[in-house]
Amino acid sequence: GENVEQHPSTLSVQEGDSAVIKCTYSDSASNYFPWYKQELGKRPQLIIDIRSNVGEKKDQRIAVTLNKTAKHFSLHITETQPEDSAVYFCAATPPGNNRLAFGKGNQVVVIP
Amino acid sequence: EADIYQTPRYLVIGTGKKITLECSQTMGHDKMYWYQQDPGMELHLIHYSYGVNSTEKGDLSSESTVSRIRTEHFPLTLESARPSHTSQYLCASSPGDGGEAFFGQGTRLTVV
Repeated sequence: GENVEQHPSTLSVQEGDSAVIKCTYSDSASNYFPWYKQELGKRPQLIIDIRSNVGEKKDQRIAVTLNKTAKHFSLHITETQPEDSAVYFCAATPPGNNRLAFGKGNQVVVIP
Repeated sequence: EADIYQTPRYLVIGTGKKITLECSQTMGHDKMYWYQQDPGMELHLIHYSYGVNSTEKGDLSSESTVSRIRTEHFPLTLESARPSHTSQYLCASSPGDGGEAFFGQGTRLTVV
């Protein structure tokens, strides 16, 4: 099945700086790549996603880039704010009845 | 309102008791998942279903069982609870064609 790895495990950034989290996946057939944000005590929620027919997608301060050849995708957060502090999970899913495979998560800490 | 619901939100039970955690979704999603998660940590998949009467064990060994008799309902049963089962259990669902997964609020289980 699909295997997703996420790096780094913890990331600290100064408020206003950019944060980048990278994920790699193993199954070249995977075609859907979401990113989830989980704040303390809350459930994970989708913040952005990308499909395999697109190389980049942007939504205000967040963006996702996909490199299908290298099998990796990255989350970019610009002008970080304290409310961006959370655990971020990437995921990938191949088509058909295959399940969504999550990375282990990345703790992002924005220092005011 | 379309959502995914878990009950109970909190549960404290004694060792050896049988319990069922309920999960229902009103979005008509084919895929449903059960995850075990300690605060801020990795999402461990314990069960997965891609449709009615289809269930698979996940990556984390678990003494629980699930059933999928109806599309909207995916209960998880622990036949004999142990202190090692103390954790948060998150239910999720996603469309069959690969799209956003929605998470329930979670059940925080404590076995004493």
